[in-house]
Amino acid sequence: GENVEQHPSTLSVQEGDSAVIKCTYSDSASNYFPWYKQELGKRPQLIIDIRSNVGEKKDQRIAVTLNKTAKHFSLHITETQPEDSAVYFCAAGGSQGNLIFGKGTKLSVKP
Amino acid sequence: NAGVTQTPKFRVLKTGQSMTLLCAQDMNHEYMYWYRQDPGMGLRLIHYSVGEGTTAKGEVPDGYNVSRLKKQNFLLGLESAAPSQTSVYFCASSLTGRGQTGYGYTFGSGTRLTVV
Repeated sequence: GENVEQHPSTLSVQEGDSAVIKCTYSDSASNYFPWYKQELGKRPQLIIDIRSNVGEKKDQRIAVTLNKTAKHFSLHITETQPEDSAVYFCAAGGSQGNLIFGKGTKLSVKP
Repeated sequence: NAGVTQTPKFRVLKTGQSMTLLCAQDMNHEYMYWYRQDPGMGLRLIHYSVGEGTTAKGEVPDGYNVSRLKKQNFLLGLESAAPSQTSVYFCASSLTGRGQTGYGYTFGSGTRLTVV
């Protein structure tokens, strides 16, 4: 079935460093790839998304890249801050009109 | 404009009891979804709906039923709760489906359910 693999499951960085989270997807027909941030005890919230006709998208300190040939996409966070600490989920548009989520990456930014 | 509202926020059930979780959205979204979130498992789709009067099974539908009698509401039912259903449940909605504009999900604040 459709699947999204996300790595790493945990990531610890020093404040000011960069963080990269990678995902691969199985459904070659997927064409929408959002990223969600979930703070402890809160709901997931969309932080950035990309469509398959675009290779890269940037919004201030966060960027997403997509390689459709290899079926993988990545989230890049530069100049990390303690408030970036959260669980990040990638997702890919499924064939049934729903999103398939990765299992999440817990990012810890140490001051 | 409240977005997506879930009730209740917390609930403790005894094994075998039944309950209904309510999700309401005021954004005129066509698609609605129920996910469960367990540690290390991410978000797993239980059931979803692509419009009023429609429902479909997701990845983990067993033990749950749903109904979408009104466009703005999506109900998740547990007929006979089991400890394995202890989880955080999130409802979400989206304007349209895959590949179309306005695809992004809006999530509710979640329901923390414990079955003892």
